[in-house]
Amino acid sequence: NAGVTQTPKFQVLKTGQSMTLQCAQDMNHEYMSWYRQDPGMGLRLIHYSVGAGITDQGEVPNGYNVSRSTTEDFPLRLLSAAPSQTSVYFCASSYAGGRSEQYFGPGTRLTVT
Amino acid sequence: TQLLEQSPQFLSIQEGENLTVYCNSSSVFSSLQWYRQEPGEGPVLLVTVVTGGEVKKLKRLTFQFGDARKDSSLHITAAQTGDTGLYLCAGPSDSGAGSYQLTFGKGTKLSVIP
Repeated sequence: NAGVTQTPKFQVLKTGQSMTLQCAQDMNHEYMSWYRQDPGMGLRLIHYSVGAGITDQGEVPNGYNVSRSTTEDFPLRLLSAAPSQTSVYFCASSYAGGRSEQYFGPGTRLTVT
Repeated sequence: TQLLEQSPQFLSIQEGENLTVYCNSSSVFSSLQWYRQEPGEGPVLLVTVVTGGEVKKLKRLTFQFGDARKDSSLHITAAQTGDTGLYLCAGPSDSGAGSYQLTFGKGTKLSVIP
Protein backbone atom coordinates (compact mmCIF):
# COMPACT_ATOMS: atom_id res chain seq x y z
CA ASN A 1 0.00 0.00 0.00
CA ALA A 2 1.23 3.49 -0.86
CA GLY A 3 -0.83 5.03 1.96
CA VAL A 4 -1.51 8.75 1.40
CA THR A 5 0.21 10.38 -1.56
CA GLN A 6 0.42 14.08 -2.35
CA THR A 7 1.61 15.95 -5.42
CA PRO A 8 3.45 18.14 -6.04
CA LYS A 9 6.10 18.12 -3.30
CA PHE A 10 7.03 21.75 -3.91
CA GLN A 11 5.27 24.57 -5.76
CA VAL A 12 5.89 28.27 -6.33
CA LEU A 13 2.97 30.43 -7.47
CA LYS A 14 2.54 34.08 -8.27
CA THR A 15 -0.21 36.04 -6.57
CA GLY A 16 -3.50 35.48 -8.34
CA GLN A 17 -2.61 32.16 -9.94
CA SER A 18 -4.70 29.08 -9.31
CA MET A 19 -3.65 25.50 -8.73
CA THR A 20 -4.80 22.15 -7.41
CA LEU A 21 -2.98 20.12 -4.79
CA GLN A 22 -3.59 16.43 -5.33
CA CYS A 23 -4.20 13.86 -2.58
CA ALA A 24 -4.95 10.17 -2.92
CA GLN A 25 -5.22 7.26 -0.48
CA ASP A 26 -5.45 3.53 -1.06
CA MET A 27 -6.70 2.44 2.39
CA ASN A 28 -10.41 2.77 1.57
CA HIS A 29 -10.83 5.41 4.29
CA GLU A 30 -14.05 7.39 4.27
CA TYR A 31 -12.63 10.37 6.14
CA MET A 32 -10.12 12.69 4.49
CA SER A 33 -8.91 16.14 5.46
CA TRP A 34 -6.59 18.97 4.49
CA TYR A 35 -4.42 20.85 6.98
CA ARG A 36 -2.00 23.71 6.66
CA GLN A 37 1.06 24.00 8.90
CA ASP A 38 2.67 27.35 9.59
CA PRO A 39 5.57 28.06 11.97
CA GLY A 40 4.32 28.36 15.53
CA MET A 41 0.73 27.63 14.52
CA GLY A 42 0.54 23.85 14.54
CA LEU A 43 -1.79 22.09 12.13
CA ARG A 44 -5.02 23.87 11.20
CA LEU A 45 -7.91 22.14 9.47
CA ILE A 46 -8.92 23.64 6.11
CA HIS A 47 -11.63 21.28 4.78
CA TYR A 48 -12.64 17.73 5.44
CA SER A 49 -14.81 15.02 3.91
CA VAL A 50 -16.68 12.16 5.55
CA GLY A 51 -17.25 10.30 2.29
CA ALA A 52 -17.59 10.68 -1.46
CA GLY A 53 -19.80 13.63 -2.29
CA ILE A 54 -19.69 15.09 1.25
CA THR A 55 -17.37 17.92 2.28
CA ASP A 56 -17.36 20.53 5.03
CA GLN A 57 -15.33 23.49 6.20
CA GLY A 58 -12.74 23.39 8.90
CA GLU A 59 -11.09 26.18 10.87
CA VAL A 60 -9.47 28.10 7.96
CA PRO A 61 -11.45 27.43 4.72
CA ASN A 62 -11.30 30.85 3.05
CA GLY A 63 -9.54 30.84 -0.33
CA TYR A 64 -9.75 27.06 -0.74
CA ASN A 65 -12.20 24.72 -2.44
CA VAL A 66 -12.50 20.95 -2.25
CA SER A 67 -14.56 18.19 -3.84
CA ARG A 68 -14.74 14.44 -3.25
CA SER A 69 -15.94 12.53 -6.28
CA THR A 70 -14.32 9.23 -5.27
CA THR A 71 -13.29 7.60 -2.00
CA GLU A 72 -9.64 7.68 -3.05
CA ASP A 73 -9.13 11.30 -4.12
CA PHE A 74 -9.52 14.61 -2.31
CA PRO A 75 -8.01 17.54 -4.26
CA LEU A 76 -7.55 21.00 -2.75
CA ARG A 77 -7.98 23.98 -5.06
CA LEU A 78 -6.53 27.44 -4.56
CA LEU A 79 -8.67 29.75 -6.67
CA SER A 80 -6.52 32.91 -6.55
CA ALA A 81 -3.32 32.42 -4.60
CA ALA A 82 -2.27 35.00 -2.01
CA PRO A 83 1.02 35.34 -0.08
CA SER A 84 -0.90 34.43 3.10
CA GLN A 85 -1.38 30.97 1.64
CA THR A 86 2.35 30.29 1.73
CA SER A 87 2.48 27.20 3.92
CA VAL A 88 3.03 23.47 4.06
CA TYR A 89 -0.13 21.54 3.22
CA PHE A 90 -0.87 18.07 4.52
CA CYS A 91 -3.58 15.69 3.44
CA ALA A 92 -4.71 13.00 5.88
CA SER A 93 -7.08 10.08 5.86
CA SER A 94 -8.58 8.00 8.63
CA TYR A 95 -11.09 5.26 9.32
CA ALA A 96 -13.30 7.24 11.70
CA GLY A 97 -12.46 10.93 11.67
CA GLY A 98 -11.11 12.64 14.76
CA ARG A 99 -11.56 9.59 16.94
CA SER A 100 -9.10 7.45 15.01
CA GLU A 101 -5.51 7.53 13.76
CA GLN A 102 -4.80 10.04 11.03
CA TYR A 103 -2.54 8.88 8.20
CA PHE A 104 -0.71 11.86 6.73
CA GLY A 105 0.82 12.38 3.33
CA PRO A 106 4.35 13.78 2.93
CA GLY A 107 3.12 17.34 2.42
CA THR A 108 3.29 20.03 -0.26
CA ARG A 109 5.40 23.11 0.40
CA LEU A 110 3.73 26.05 -1.34
CA THR A 111 5.27 29.50 -1.77
CA VAL A 112 3.19 32.37 -3.14
CA THR A 113 5.17 35.41 -4.27
CA THR B 1 -13.67 25.87 20.41
CA GLN B 2 -11.51 23.37 22.24
CA LEU B 3 -7.87 24.45 22.45
CA LEU B 4 -4.80 22.41 23.27
CA GLU B 5 -1.79 24.20 24.73
CA GLN B 6 1.57 22.49 24.51
CA SER B 7 4.65 23.31 26.56
CA PRO B 8 7.45 23.93 26.24
CA GLN B 9 7.41 25.19 22.67
CA PHE B 10 11.10 24.34 22.22
CA LEU B 11 13.34 21.95 24.12
CA SER B 12 17.01 21.22 23.56
CA ILE B 13 18.67 18.54 25.68
CA GLN B 14 21.73 16.31 25.75
CA GLU B 15 21.52 12.68 24.76
CA GLY B 16 20.78 10.52 27.80
CA GLU B 17 18.71 13.14 29.65
CA ASN B 18 15.06 12.71 30.61
CA LEU B 19 12.32 15.14 29.60
CA THR B 20 8.61 15.75 29.88
CA VAL B 21 6.36 17.70 27.54
CA TYR B 22 2.81 18.74 28.32
CA CYS B 23 -0.51 19.10 26.55
CA ASN B 24 -3.19 21.02 28.45
CA SER B 25 -6.74 22.16 27.86
CA SER B 26 -9.61 23.71 29.76
CA SER B 27 -11.94 21.32 27.91
CA VAL B 28 -12.58 17.63 28.38
CA PHE B 29 -11.49 15.37 25.54
CA SER B 30 -12.84 11.89 24.90
CA SER B 31 -9.32 10.87 23.84
CA LEU B 32 -5.98 12.41 22.97
CA GLN B 33 -3.49 11.39 20.32
CA TRP B 34 0.26 12.04 20.25
CA TYR B 35 2.11 12.38 16.96
CA ARG B 36 5.77 12.83 16.09
CA GLN B 37 6.76 14.73 12.97
CA GLU B 38 10.23 14.67 11.46
CA PRO B 39 11.47 17.44 9.13
CA GLY B 40 9.99 17.20 5.62
CA GLU B 41 7.48 14.52 6.58
CA GLY B 42 3.92 14.24 7.78
CA PRO B 43 3.06 13.48 11.44
CA VAL B 44 3.00 9.84 12.51
CA LEU B 45 0.83 8.56 15.36
CA LEU B 46 2.68 7.42 18.48
CA VAL B 47 -0.21 6.60 20.80
CA THR B 48 -3.86 7.27 21.65
CA VAL B 49 -4.97 7.63 25.28
CA VAL B 50 -8.64 7.13 26.01
CA THR B 51 -9.29 6.55 29.73
CA GLY B 52 -8.72 9.18 32.43
CA GLY B 53 -5.58 8.29 34.40
CA GLU B 54 -4.37 5.96 31.68
CA VAL B 55 -0.63 5.37 31.30
CA LYS B 56 0.80 3.89 28.10
CA LYS B 57 4.42 2.99 27.44
CA LEU B 58 6.14 2.81 24.09
CA LYS B 59 9.74 1.70 24.77
CA ARG B 60 11.35 4.78 26.42
CA LEU B 61 8.25 6.96 25.94
CA THR B 62 5.57 7.13 28.64
CA PHE B 63 2.23 8.81 27.95
CA GLN B 64 -0.26 9.77 30.62
CA PHE B 65 -3.85 11.01 30.30
CA GLY B 66 -5.04 13.19 33.17
CA ASP B 67 -7.77 11.91 35.46
CA ALA B 68 -10.14 14.64 34.27
CA ARG B 69 -9.21 14.03 30.61
CA LYS B 70 -8.15 17.66 30.17
CA ASP B 71 -4.41 17.15 29.95
CA SER B 72 -1.72 14.71 28.93
CA SER B 73 2.03 14.36 29.24
CA LEU B 74 4.80 12.62 27.36
CA HIS B 75 7.91 11.57 29.28
CA ILE B 76 11.02 10.38 27.45
CA THR B 77 13.66 8.48 29.40
CA ALA B 78 17.30 8.60 28.30
CA ALA B 79 16.65 10.63 25.15
CA GLN B 80 18.37 9.61 21.95
CA THR B 81 19.15 11.65 18.82
CA GLY B 82 16.46 9.65 17.03
CA ASP B 83 13.86 11.25 19.34
CA THR B 84 14.46 14.63 17.68
CA GLY B 85 11.30 15.99 16.09
CA LEU B 86 8.09 17.91 16.59
CA TYR B 87 5.70 16.33 19.09
CA LEU B 88 2.04 17.16 18.57
CA CYS B 89 -0.97 16.34 20.70
CA ALA B 90 -4.45 16.26 19.15
CA GLY B 91 -7.99 15.58 20.23
CA PRO B 92 -11.41 15.19 18.57
CA SER B 93 -13.86 18.07 18.84
CA ASP B 94 -16.83 17.83 21.20
CA SER B 95 -19.41 15.54 19.74
CA GLY B 96 -21.71 14.86 16.82
CA ALA B 97 -20.42 16.17 13.49
CA GLY B 98 -17.58 17.94 15.29
CA SER B 99 -16.05 14.63 16.30
CA TYR B 100 -14.84 14.33 12.72
CA GLN B 101 -12.56 17.26 13.33
CA LEU B 102 -9.23 16.88 15.09
CA THR B 103 -7.76 19.84 17.00
CA PHE B 104 -3.97 19.99 17.19
CA GLY B 105 -1.75 21.74 19.68
CA LYS B 106 1.07 23.89 18.31
CA GLY B 107 3.66 21.29 19.20
CA THR B 108 6.92 20.92 21.13
CA LYS B 109 10.05 20.98 18.99
CA LEU B 110 12.59 18.64 20.59
CA SER B 111 16.29 18.63 19.71
CA VAL B 112 18.48 15.92 21.23
CA ILE B 113 22.15 16.81 21.00
CA PRO B 114 24.74 14.01 20.82
